[in-house]
Amino acid sequence: EPEVTQTPSHQVTQMGQEVILRCVPISNHLYFYWYRQILGQKVEFLVSFYNNEISEKSEIFDDQFSVERPDGSNFTLKIRSTKLEDSAMYFCASKASGGVETQYFGPGTRLLVL
Amino acid sequence: QKEVEQDPGPLSVPEGAIVSLNCTYSNSAFQYFMWYRQYSRKGPELLMYTYSSGNKEDGRFTAQVDKSSKYISLFIRDSQPSDSATYLCAMKPGANNLFFGTGTRLTVIP
Repeated sequence: EPEVTQTPSHQVTQMGQEVILRCVPISNHLYFYWYRQILGQKVEFLVSFYNNEISEKSEIFDDQFSVERPDGSNFTLKIRSTKLEDSAMYFCASKASGGVETQYFGPGTRLLVL
Repeated sequence: QKEVEQDPGPLSVPEGAIVSLNCTYSNSAFQYFMWYRQYSRKGPELLMYTYSSGNKEDGRFTAQVDKSSKYISLFIRDSQPSDSATYLCAMKPGANNLFFGTGTRLTVIP
């Protein structure tokens, strides 16, 4: 069964460093998402991406964040200068079309900023 | 502001029990309601998906939506130890992004 994959599974970084989280969505999907979940808190929407551009973003997704689909398979989230409060689990999700079809989630990348 | 409230639990039940999980919300624009299951160190996995008010059944799982009360429920019949996980409600107004509850951690004791 097709699935969303994410790498790395864990990342530890120093405050102020840049990190890139990588996702490979399901191959025929067209809509891509990043969510984050701070330990003990809700899963929160960060950004959605379609047709090589951001379609929606939350207040969390400030200038420190960017997303990119550098090739036909990868979808990346970059945090330019990490803060302690960026420590969270980051989930990538993808969806086949623009309707209300379900989003399929990857297993997540646990980011720890020291 | 779009708000989804969910009792975080934890909830422990004996094997075979009926489990009831609930969420409330404040935004009447929500039209689509989902329940996700999340095992430890895994991403959310869709369990049930309903549109507007009503019931939907899938095996041992039943999802209910009461839009007049802004209240949704997930019932698990004949609960099994393999059902032990965190259950997340999520909802959205249309073909937009999901708003999640905090999740309820369920443990089914053999």
